Amino acid sequence: SQKIEQNSEALNIQEGKTATLTCNYTNYSPAYLQWYRQDPGRGPVFLLLIRENEKEKRKERLKVTFDTTLKQSLFHITASQPADSATYLCALHATPGRRALTFGSGTRLQVQP
Amino acid sequence: GAVVSQHPSRVICKSGTSVKIECRSLDFQATTMFWYRQFPKQSLMLMATSNEGSKATYEQGVEKDKFLINHASLTLSTLTVTSAHPEDSSFYICSARVSSGGAIAKNIQYFGAGTRLSVL
Repeated sequence: SQKIEQNSEALNIQEGKTATLTCNYTNYSPAYLQWYRQDPGRGPVFLLLIRENEKEKRKERLKVTFDTTLKQSLFHITASQPADSATYLCALHATPGRRALTFGSGTRLQVQP
Repeated sequence: GAVVSQHPSRVICKSGTSVKIECRSLDFQATTMFWYRQFPKQSLMLMATSNEGSKATYEQGVEKDKFLINHASLTLSTLTVTSAHPEDSSFYICSARVSSGGAIAKNIQYFGAGTRLSVL
């Protein structure tokens, strides 16, 4: 069966450290993989998109990697801040022609001051 | 940046009433919008894809007669929960993707702030 798995347990880290979140997928072959941030009671906000032929993508303190062999994406936040505390969702298109996104269950990140 | 406005943000209604939720793309045209539902501590589950000028495409298990979708213009889609019951209480979120631009731009979805529906 098709699955997108993110660590359901909250990730607690100290301010200033690097947070690393994992997204593993099974039985998908996405051309793109996306990461979104969701705050409580709010809609998700787009952060980064990475293509299958890209190994790594960066945006300010954010970095995403995409390993199509391992079927895994890693999301890094360097020099983390309490304001980075949120739930982070990975998402992909289940099939090439599908316009809607399929989301993982998300990982809650808590950055302690 | 692309902004999606969703209204209302919260609604409390009695069982049996109908509730309409609006989703507007404010600074771009969206031929396709999406409606998701999210239960506490769970991920977003796609309910339907809303297509401007044509019928919505519903996901398996979603009752199209209960969740009416209208996408009458390039900037507005509405979701009406008909005869709402307590089990329909949830967080409903819409999203839109831009109609023009490159392949990457079209893959990104812009979300509304969500609507918390509570049915008593």
